[in-house]
Amino acid sequence: SAVISQKPSRDICQRGTSLTIQCQVDSQVTMMFWYRQQPGQSLTLIATANQGSEATYESGFVIDKFPISRPNLTFSTLTVSNMSPEDSSIYLCSVATGVPRGETQYFGPGTRLLVL
Amino acid sequence: RKEVEQDPGPFNVPEGATVAFNCTYSNSASQSFFWYRQDCRKEPKLLMSVYSSGNEDGRFTAQLNRASQYISLLIRDSKLSDSATYLCVVNRDGGYNKLIFGAGTRLAVHP
Repeated sequence: SAVISQKPSRDICQRGTSLTIQCQVDSQVTMMFWYRQQPGQSLTLIATANQGSEATYESGFVIDKFPISRPNLTFSTLTVSNMSPEDSSIYLCSVATGVPRGETQYFGPGTRLLVL
Repeated sequence: RKEVEQDPGPFNVPEGATVAFNCTYSNSASQSFFWYRQDCRKEPKLLMSVYSSGNEDGRFTAQLNRASQYISLLIRDSKLSDSATYLCVVNRDGGYNKLIFGAGTRLAVHP
């Protein structure tokens, strides 16, 4: 499995500001994803980070709120824009490895965000 | 109806007990199935993939029933270290890696 790191590990932010979260993988991977896990809930996919093209967003998530970059096969960023307290959550990146349809995902340690 | 539904839990069991978790999924086109484990304040970690023929990894056995769209996880001889939340995870549409997570079932193993 890949080794995944995220920065920052946690942050406390004021409403109306933006935070960029970085995800670094120790090997080249085709698929990278961003998830959100709100307090007491399970994971929800925000978007697929595509290398060299715009991210693919899930229903309920838009690029203006969660812009994503994927400049190469080992790195991606997620920005949480114009934050409100409702954005307080854990944000996790993941990578997929393995053969098609049997691919499994491995997760970074997450970024804990608290918006005041 | 949620796409992936799990036993709500929590399950409180003594060490050495056998415990079973159930999960149902709604999308019949789903092709890949997994159990993840998530410890408190940690990221989810892959426990095992689930295959149609069923598979076993030590004390853990996973079963898949495609006709009933049902997945199970059996843990034998529970250890204190098994205490965690177990997430049932399904690949949504089979041809693309979009994972749908169940809400999780919390397991607490006590001495």
